[in-house]
Amino acid sequence: VIWMTQSPSLLSASTGDRVIISCRMSQGISSYLAWYQQKPGKAPELLIYAASTLQSGVPSRFSGSGSGTDFTLTISCLQSEDFATYYCQQYYSFPYTFGQGTKLEIK
Amino acid sequence: QITLKESGPTLVKPTQTLTLTCTFSGFSLSTSGVGVGWIRQPPGKALEWLALIYWNDDKRYSPSLKSRLTITKDTSKNQVVLTMTNMDPVDTATYYCAHRPDGRSVFDYWGQGTLVTVSS
Repeated sequence: VIWMTQSPSLLSASTGDRVIISCRMSQGISSYLAWYQQKPGKAPELLIYAASTLQSGVPSRFSGSGSGTDFTLTISCLQSEDFATYYCQQYYSFPYTFGQGTKLEIK
Repeated sequence: QITLKESGPTLVKPTQTLTLTCTFSGFSLSTSGVGVGWIRQPPGKALEWLALIYWNDDKRYSPSLKSRLTITKDTSKNQVVLTMTNMDPVDTATYYCAHRPDGRSVFDYWGQGTLVTVSS
């Protein structure tokens, strides 16, 4: 099983800020990493796959980087609709695993 | 337009078997590369992947739950069914089904989820 450490678990920021969320793997996964956004009471939405490829329709202020064991999700110029919980997911090998989540809250 | 929707009981008793149905539209599970997965989320907690079925009927399960899970598909009805035996209160969660596109094992379309509570 590939374990994931996502940090921070809670992030306070203001509209217009740039934030970075990290996801570290227990072993290398090449670029088989996705990021999801989840708002309260809603299903997750895919933001990024293959570590850095933006899903269709996702704003360009979202970006992903990394390969191997260390990955980041960057949101530049936070908008009000970006305050949510973010999860990383590895799909390099079964069982697929998700990070513990980062809740992005308004400062 | 791809849509998925989960259905099933909202309340089950401990030791009972849970059967959830995912009914989808906008794609076919006979299309090469496509799959449907199940993911759950206990209240206030993280997502947990449970199972995945592919267009060719290949199936994958979470090792920690493998003995309790069965995933099947009915291509003609555009449905995927997940059964989980011997339910326990710790299985209380929102259960989601999601579309796995050809070529990458991510979940790009999700159902709205269904909350299943396990309680006597």
